[in-house]
This record gives sequence, C-alpha cells and structure tokens, in this order.
Amino acid sequence: GDQVEQSPSALSLHEGTGSALRCNFTTTMRAVQWFRKNSRGSLINLFYLASGTKENGRLKSAFDSKERYSTLHIRDAQLEDSGTYFCAAGDTNAYKVIFGKGTHLHVLP
Amino acid sequence: DAGVTQTPRHEVAEKGQTIILKCEPVSGHNDLFWYRQTKIQGLELLSYFRSKSLMEDGGAFKDRFKAEMLNSSFSTLKIQPTEPKDSAVYLCASRDWEDTQYFGPGTRLLVL
Repeated sequence: GDQVEQSPSALSLHEGTGSALRCNFTTTMRAVQWFRKNSRGSLINLFYLASGTKENGRLKSAFDSKERYSTLHIRDAQLEDSGTYFCAAGDTNAYKVIFGKGTHLHVLP
Repeated sequence: DAGVTQTPRHEVAEKGQTIILKCEPVSGHNDLFWYRQTKIQGLELLSYFRSKSLMEDGGAFKDRFKAEMLNSSFSTLKIQPTEPKDSAVYLCASRDWEDTQYFGPGTRLLVL
C-alpha cells in the first residue's frame, strides 16, 4: 500500500471558513514538507517540519513522527487559496521522499 | 537568487525518440531529485543524487530513464526510447542536505 495517504482528495470550502488536510504515514518519517501547486504548475514550499508545529499567516502545519501523521490547517480561506496541496515525507533514510496524491481545494465565494 | 532552472519548458516527441531534459539546481545545494508528475500517479521519484552520486534510481523507471549529474550545477534526464505513456510533467528539485526541497517549473512532455 501507499506509504503516504493524503486526505481528503478533494475539498470545497466557503470563503472565511477553514479545514484541515491530513497525511498519514505507514512508516516512521523523519520530516514532512507541504507544497501548493500554483497557477503555472510550479510546486511552492509551504512548510518543512522535522517535528512540532509551524504557522505562517492563515496556514498552520503539525507533524508527529511517532503517531505517523501530519496536518495542514487552513483558516479564513480565501479564493486565491484554491489549488492542489501536496504533502511529502522523508523516511528514516532521510533522502527518499514520498509524496501524497494531493488534495484539490476549491474555495467558493 | 536563481531557483531551480529546467529546460525545455515544453517538449513534444514522437514515439521511439530520445529526449533529454535539463536541470540546474540551486547553487550550493547537495541533493538533486527528478520526479514525474501525472494526474493518476501523482508525484513519483525517478532519481536522487547526493553530491553528484546516484542514491536512488527509481526502480521501475530504470529501463528507459537515465539521469546523470556530471557536475554539481547540471543534471540531465534522458528518456530513450520515448513512449506515449511517458507524457507527463517532469520536475527537478534540489535541496541543501536534509532541508527544504526547491522545485523547478517543470518540463511538460507530450509523446505522440
């Protein structure tokens, strides 16, 4: 099975509301990274975490290596937040990075 | 600062051709990755280099895909021979040891 399970695969939010994306890991991961694909198709870094939580504006991410999951919280969603979000995790060998299949976020007016 | 550069941005090839994609990592980064992105499979690792040494060659992609890194500032991904199922976006990323990966804009490949 997949080592990184990302959910949900699609999410619709109304402007001003919030939700969380989640990645579950089947093995212990050393670090996780969250990306957003922009309108040109480029992957933009959102967060890199080896542990704990990080916050940037309306986004907050958490990573628990022991419990094998990471989350990305979006609050006060805006139309420009629409896009595809990916998590990627590095296993204990450090260099092998495995991506989730992505979450398509659609923010509605 | 220059980020990761990839060329060409778009490539159209006929079945059976050889194509070479190019990547210039962020200056000073030690790790370089090649990924393939499709709607069905998402992002898949093709190759990984650390300090120019091949660490991971992506298993299932070995037979027709070959990545090389002859110097620390340039890498190529050769697909030979191309097949229609190779149509995808090919992404190159670099990072400084075990830190954040920085992605290039990708090369969109269409194989007819």
